[in-house]
Amino acid sequence: NAGVMQNPRHLVRRRGQEARLRCSPMKGHSHVYWYRQLPEEGLKFMVYLQKENIIDESGMPKERFSAEFPKEGPSILRIQQVVRGDSAAYFCASSTSGRESYEQYFGPGTRLTVT
Amino acid sequence: ELKVEQNPLFLSMQEGKNYTIYCNYSTTSDRLYWYRQDPGKSLESLFVLLSNGAVKQEGRLMASLDTKARLSTLHITAAVHDLSATYFCAVVPRTGNQFYFGTGTSLTVIP
Repeated sequence: NAGVMQNPRHLVRRRGQEARLRCSPMKGHSHVYWYRQLPEEGLKFMVYLQKENIIDESGMPKERFSAEFPKEGPSILRIQQVVRGDSAAYFCASSTSGRESYEQYFGPGTRLTVT
Repeated sequence: ELKVEQNPLFLSMQEGKNYTIYCNYSTTSDRLYWYRQDPGKSLESLFVLLSNGAVKQEGRLMASLDTKARLSTLHITAAVHDLSATYFCAVVPRTGNQFYFGTGTSLTVIP
């Protein structure tokens, strides 16, 4: 059973470009969470999605950031018009269900560098 | 705002010594997690603590949870170099489902 997969693992974008980060949850998992980790810091929650629904986006910046988890295909975190401050590691995690599931399984992360 | 604080933030210890990392949090919760992260890597789950008084041990690491004090500890016994990593605790509040991570403790074990 493959774990949570993220791609790309490393992404370099110039200021003003768009970044698209993909996350494929573990097989059988229908809940996806995105976190951002700035250098030397812990992970900060961004958004929680189920298939075709955003459940909680309280940690998501109001502008330039969006997330989706379509019926088919991976979850995508999109950052428009990237700025240097967006440089970070972005992790996604998945679980079998919401509150009833005690474990979130983390992917390897995408390291975004904005030049 | 929910706070999860770890201390110390940095810990340098000699092989063979014991030490404890503390995780304090500011919300009502009965779900606490400990993770290990190596540089440039993802998070590896170490312990899941789901009730007051829960204690779990794996090798040289032992984690405990006191929900009344809103405190979890990660105790390291007879440290070895392979334990060098950053350790995070994470809390899930009773209302809600997202993980709130601590600031992390960077552990270096010196041979």
